[in-house]
This record gives sequence, structure tokens and C-alpha cells, in this order.
Amino acid sequence: LAKTTQPISMDSYEGQEVNITCSHNNIATNDYITWYQQFPSQGPRFIIQGYKTKVTNEVASLFIPADRKSSTLSLPRVSLSDTAVYYCLVVSLQGGATNKLIFGTGTLLAVQP
Amino acid sequence: EPEVTQTPSHQVTQMGQEVILRCVPISNHLYFYWYRQILGQKVEFLVSFYNNEISEKSEIFDDQFSVERPDGSNFTLKIRSTKLEDSAMYFCASSGSLAGGKYEQYFGPGTRLTVT
Repeated sequence: LAKTTQPISMDSYEGQEVNITCSHNNIATNDYITWYQQFPSQGPRFIIQGYKTKVTNEVASLFIPADRKSSTLSLPRVSLSDTAVYYCLVVSLQGGATNKLIFGTGTLLAVQP
Repeated sequence: EPEVTQTPSHQVTQMGQEVILRCVPISNHLYFYWYRQILGQKVEFLVSFYNNEISEKSEIFDDQFSVERPDGSNFTLKIRSTKLEDSAMYFCASSGSLAGGKYEQYFGPGTRLTVT
């Protein structure tokens, strides 16, 4: 599985758009990019997944350039409740095998009033 | 919305004791996982389980650990003889079919295990 690199921490203010970029230089053809969110003392929660170009859901957008060596999670107009750790993961969807998630250290987003 | 549940939320045990952590995955899911997170550290994969057998396990998952799906709803993690370094938050997760192009693991709220 491709190793991911993302900033350790980011600061933002309420109402701002936050973009967290992740690099995954060795991503393989069958790999998808997935982002999870984790609040303190809670389990990680799926945010969004993409393969290429742009994906948007009710929570976030995910931008993936053509070479797929990086991706950017965009959170529009963050609030205090968006303070959490955000993980970028690469997941292989090849075949029917179970797919473990390999978590890095993630990005701690701190939203201030 | 369906969710993964775990019991107990907090377990305190003495070193050398056996503990069983329990999970109820989402009912139509086929793949089950255990992860752990030591305080202040990253989430670590322990084991995956499919079709009533272990699919993959990490180096952490040694002979002291075992998993079981004793009935159609529960998924358990047993630690035979706990050590101080087993103190961590243990998360159960489940996922459904890989079809449809979306892959998501649903995590439970965790069991905080404290070994004294």
C-alpha cells in the first residue's frame, strides 16, 4: 500500500474553508484515496473516497489531480465541531479480500472561534 | 443509521487476566476488523475476519490474541493474559461488499482497556 504524507497539524477559524493536502507518490492503479475523521475517544469515521478528479458529498470535497500522486480534502466553512484528526488513507479495492486500513498520524485540525 | 456497537465501554483488568471485548457489527456486513489505539498514538490494525476465519493479522496480533464470531451477531476479541502494554482503546469495525465502487469501514465507539 502506498505511504501517505500529510501535515501534522493545521489551524483555522470558524467559517473558513480548510484544505488538507496528502501526498501518496506510490499509489497503484487499483488504489482509492479515502479520508477518515476522528474525534477524541471515538472511532474513526469515513468522510469521503475518490479515485480521480473531484468528488463532493454533503460533508466535504476531494480533489485528485490526474497523476493521483496527491489529494486535497476540502472542508467548506468549518465550525468548532470540525476540530478533529483527519486521516488520508490509500485503499486497494482489488478482488474480494478484506482490506485493512493503515492509518498514519493524520492531521490535527484545530478550529478556533 | 446502522452502527457498530461495542461493550464494555471501559474495562479495567489486572495484568495476567483474560479479557473479552465484544462487538456487534452492522447486521449485513461480511468483513470484520479489530484495531487498537494506544493513547496519543495512531490507530493500528490488529486483525481482519471473513467467512469465519482470520483473513489477515498484524505482528501485534500474537498468540495471546484470538477472535471469534460465536453466533450470527457478535464478534469478540480475547486477550488471554493481559500485559501493561495492552492498555489501549480497541475499536471494532465492519464493512460490506466491495461492489459499487465505495469502500467504507464502520467503526464502533471503542472499548478502553486499562491493565493495572
